[in-house]
Amino acid sequence: DTEVTQTPKHLVMGMTNKKSLKCEQHMGHRAMYWYKQKAKKPPELMFVYSYEKLSINESVPSRFSPECPNSSLLNLHLHALQPEDSALYLCASSQDSTGGGGYTFGSGTRLTVV
Amino acid sequence: RKEVEQDPGPFNVPEGATVAFNCTYSNSASQSFFWYRQDCRKEPKLLMSVYSSGNEDGRFTAQLNRASQYISLLIRDSKLSDSATYLCVVIIMRGSQGNLIFGKGTKLSVKP
Repeated sequence: DTEVTQTPKHLVMGMTNKKSLKCEQHMGHRAMYWYKQKAKKPPELMFVYSYEKLSINESVPSRFSPECPNSSLLNLHLHALQPEDSALYLCASSQDSTGGGGYTFGSGTRLTVV
Repeated sequence: RKEVEQDPGPFNVPEGATVAFNCTYSNSASQSFFWYRQDCRKEPKLLMSVYSSGNEDGRFTAQLNRASQYISLLIRDSKLSDSATYLCVVIIMRGSQGNLIFGKGTKLSVKP
């Protein structure tokens, strides 16, 4: 299995909703990442988990809450989002925290906040 | 100065053309280098890693010049299916954690 699987693929949520994005990989990778990508922009790093511990939080607002239940799973909990949070949310993984072998990206969750 | 800079294009080329993309990076401590390809509304996919010795994969050749902090990608005999955005990507270490830094991407459009 050489894939990173993200669910759901599409999500529309209101500003008062609570939802979660899920990410799963079975490649034995020990680092996992959340990225946010707006149209015609490169991906922007949000969070990094290394060996199931949060190692980087790029000053992301608290309405985004990451969780790493085990080495294969990564969640992103969403609450009270704003319309400007609409974007493609990408999960990625790498063999270890150095990322030297390259990152594998999931196909993303396209989020629309209404 | 941005950490990773690329010509945004678009590059519009006919099928069969050779096209070259360039990228510069500002952090001399950058550790690893990649070219990713991203199709419209899809995730980035690793195209190839980039090494100082240069590496080739079929019609694609990548080169790294550490002294000039410059990365290149050459595509020979362009195909319609090569149309995509090509992202230059650099890993910068923050302590023991690698941080993937993306350029803004270069858009390639191959026409019949």
